[in-house]
Amino acid sequence: DAKTTQPNSMESNEEEPVHLPCNHSTISGTDYIHWYRQLPSQGPEYVIHGLTSNVNNRMASLAIAEDRKSSTLILHRATLRDAAVYYCILRKGTGANNLFFGTGTRLTVIP
Amino acid sequence: GAVVSQHPSRVICKSGTSVKIECRSLDFQATTMFWYRQFPKQSLMLMATSNEGSKATYEQGVEKDKFLINHASLTLSTLTVTSAHPEDSSFYICSARGFGKGGRDRAEAFFGQGTRLTVV
Repeated sequence: DAKTTQPNSMESNEEEPVHLPCNHSTISGTDYIHWYRQLPSQGPEYVIHGLTSNVNNRMASLAIAEDRKSSTLILHRATLRDAAVYYCILRKGTGANNLFFGTGTRLTVIP
Repeated sequence: GAVVSQHPSRVICKSGTSVKIECRSLDFQATTMFWYRQFPKQSLMLMATSNEGSKATYEQGVEKDKFLINHASLTLSTLTVTSAHPEDSSFYICSARGFGKGGRDRAEAFFGQGTRLTVV
């Protein structure tokens, strides 16, 4: 499975935008980029996913580099409830179902 | 959004006993369910993949006789930790992916709230 690299931790002030980077230089053409987040003592929660084009949903935006070797999850206005570990995961689009989690980025939101 | 319910959320058991954890997809059919384990301050580690009506596929290093998985219906998978020991104490999480409208495979996985197992 192609590997992703994320910073261990990041901080953001409340109500400010947050850009969470992810490097995936060995990504293959069939890999989708998925983002999940895990709040303390809870199971992970789906955030967003994309293949080539930038994606927006009610939770966040996903900006994908043109060469697909990196992506950025954008939280437009961080709230205290966004404090979590954010995981960037590559999932093959050829039918494989399992997700392999890396170490993720622990986001701290400062009031 | 789709809901995956895991039960119990917390369990304490004595060493040597067995514990069963249930994972249910409440509003969709989950053809495939996954079981993860997470130790404190670590990431999730995939233990096994269960497909409805067939045997589970275990990841390398996971003992299939210790962690029994049953996926008897499209909405229920169970993980039984047999002869539990203190080192099995962990946060166990299930996830499910299934089919949405028109039989389309859903891209996102939905996770249960997790079960914190403490073996004393």
